[in-house]
Amino acid sequence: AQSVTQLDSQVPVFEEAPVELRCNYSSSVSVYLFWYVQYPNQGLQLLLKYLSGSTLVKGINGFEAEFNKSQTSFHLRKPSVHISDTAEYFCAVRTDGGGSYIPTFGRGTSLIVHP
Amino acid sequence: EAGVTQFPSHSVIEKGQTVTLRCDPISGHDNLYWYRRVMGKEIKFLLHFVKESKQDESGMPNNRFLAERTGGTYSTLKVQPAELEDSGVYFCASSQDSLTSMMGQFFGPGTRLTVL
Repeated sequence: AQSVTQLDSQVPVFEEAPVELRCNYSSSVSVYLFWYVQYPNQGLQLLLKYLSGSTLVKGINGFEAEFNKSQTSFHLRKPSVHISDTAEYFCAVRTDGGGSYIPTFGRGTSLIVHP
Repeated sequence: EAGVTQFPSHSVIEKGQTVTLRCDPISGHDNLYWYRRVMGKEIKFLLHFVKESKQDESGMPNNRFLAERTGGTYSTLKVQPAELEDSGVYFCASSQDSLTSMMGQFFGPGTRLTVL
């Protein structure tokens, strides 16, 4: 079984400030890791994913995430946020091989960017 | 190309009533998934269709929930009778390939269901 923990339910920041949204996971097997974003009244959109290779993954809209296997983390970062980044962000994990391909999601982190 | 659409966007019903949610996947996508997010909690998988067949329905909470995908196109999720704990946002997603579903799974905007 696997699980995902997003410790912060809400993260308020000012525009142009850096932000980090935390994600920790647990799994007994190797995993793929994902960050999704949901803008108001829209569906979930894939921001970035880690499948293998470089542990630093770059995604859309200037976001990046670093896979840290020893700390079982996959934190999402952006050096300078915009008002338009206000949204809910979900971390997700699924096994990388056989077995269930169904993803496990975290509870989501609401990023609120203030002017 | 149209994305995944869901109808209605919001639904407010009373406990004991019936509600039917609809999902139209991206044209040509054989795989269709339903998920649910209860307020403040994680998004949880409900079930997966491949064309009109249920591939995995392990996430369905109980027999008050019935999902169908007649003809392998759109899908409906019926809740009958609805209970208070059914409130939440119901997401639908579709993909071409189930084996790499997370690589190309497209989500709809969700239906927010409120049971009073």
